[in-house]
Amino acid sequence: AQKITQTQPGMFVQEKEAVTLDCTYDTSDQSYGLFWYKQPSSGEMIFLIYQGSYDEQNATEGRYSLNFQKARKSANLVISASQLGDSAMYFCAMREIGNTDKLIFGTGTRLQVFP
Amino acid sequence: DTEVTQTPKHLVMGMTNKKSLKCEQHMGHRAMYWYKQKAKKPPELMFVYSYEKLSINESVPSRFSPECPNSSLLNLHLHALQPEDSALYLCASSQEVAGVQPQHFGDGTRLSIL
Repeated sequence: AQKITQTQPGMFVQEKEAVTLDCTYDTSDQSYGLFWYKQPSSGEMIFLIYQGSYDEQNATEGRYSLNFQKARKSANLVISASQLGDSAMYFCAMREIGNTDKLIFGTGTRLQVFP
Repeated sequence: DTEVTQTPKHLVMGMTNKKSLKCEQHMGHRAMYWYKQKAKKPPELMFVYSYEKLSINESVPSRFSPECPNSSLLNLHLHALQPEDSALYLCASSQEVAGVQPQHFGDGTRLSIL
């Protein structure tokens, strides 16, 4: 069963606009962590933001925020004021705490920011 | 600049060659990882080291041989690879194996097998 689902293979957004990248997950564990990574064409995986299953507040890091809806099992990434440099592949990932140490990735969303 | 350094950035090798990929981190992390990533796909976990001991091998073929000489270094020895092994190889580290600390990745090594 797919544990992390990213339904948007590609997204376009105009510079300075906000964009939401969708992520839903499936787990029966109570303790887990959700992560978003950015991968430019150069290949590096850049950690963006983290949300713990027990965190009541949505995580924020600069222009990135995570819209965490636990009951819906969704962890959408919101990028505000998009920049051309935001063009990249974005991966949502989950780690189930106490389980084997595996970071489970979604299939990714390619974001393209246009002027 | 990433805090996980991988060398080389690019590697082209024949199927009979022996080469090694290197990964180094100086963040005091005790868990280190190797991933393989094919084009337009997410990374796939290959190996996990915790406190310099191999804790996970995701049924990786023996032509890939990991080594963790110390807590800062992780190597991946390659021998008799196949064309389908051409991919981006990513190294990552995290504070511990358990818990929810993020994994920090290097820039990767782009490997091409002729």
